Amino acid sequence: ETGVTQSPTHLIKTRGQQVTLRCSSQSGHNTVSWYQQALGQGPQFIFQYYREEENGRGNFPPRFSGLQFPNYSSELNVNALELDDSALYLCASSLEGGEYTGELFFGEGSRLTVL
Amino acid sequence: AQSVTQLDSQVPVFEEAPVELRCNYSSSVSVYLFWYVQYPNQGLQLLLKYLSGSTLVESINGFEAEFNKSQTSFHLRKPSVHISDTAEYFCAVSDSDKIIFGKGTRLHILP
Repeated sequence: ETGVTQSPTHLIKTRGQQVTLRCSSQSGHNTVSWYQQALGQGPQFIFQYYREEENGRGNFPPRFSGLQFPNYSSELNVNALELDDSALYLCASSLEGGEYTGELFFGEGSRLTVL
Repeated sequence: AQSVTQLDSQVPVFEEAPVELRCNYSSSVSVYLFWYVQYPNQGLQLLLKYLSGSTLVESINGFEAEFNKSQTSFHLRKPSVHISDTAEYFCAVSDSDKIIFGKGTRLHILP
């Protein structure tokens, strides 16, 4: 079975630009969660998608948005980029209920630098 | 809301020595606790978890953690570390629709 893959692995943007990050979930998983990991910090929950619907959201502004597709892959979009958006963005796939069992499978992340 | 606190940002330890990585969680009626590991240039992996039952849980690579309700702790231990244990370790707790992570503890293995 294939694991969780994320693209791109690294990218550089400037303030005010928009970015789209992509995630292919592990085979058979129907839930995708996105996390932001700033330097020296633990991952912070952005939101979760289950069967193409947003199913929970952390303390992030509306300029952070997402999509989940019928094949359960997902995108994270960030508009009007700010310097503080520089971070490693992690995607995790799971079966439903993974947030209770801890069975989240993480990709290696997309490192975003905003200049 | 649930939260976890990892008091140590870095822990240096000699190879083959024992190690303890500390984690405290916010009190709750029921709690699901986890330790994740992040090896260099890799994604996070679930190391072990406490959902219910025995308060001592173990991983396949020799780590163990003990759920202590009275002290609201879930410390991670290993009796003898190896150079391959070099990684960042995150304590985490389930909070309804998400998992909340601590800030992480970087384990440095000294030769």
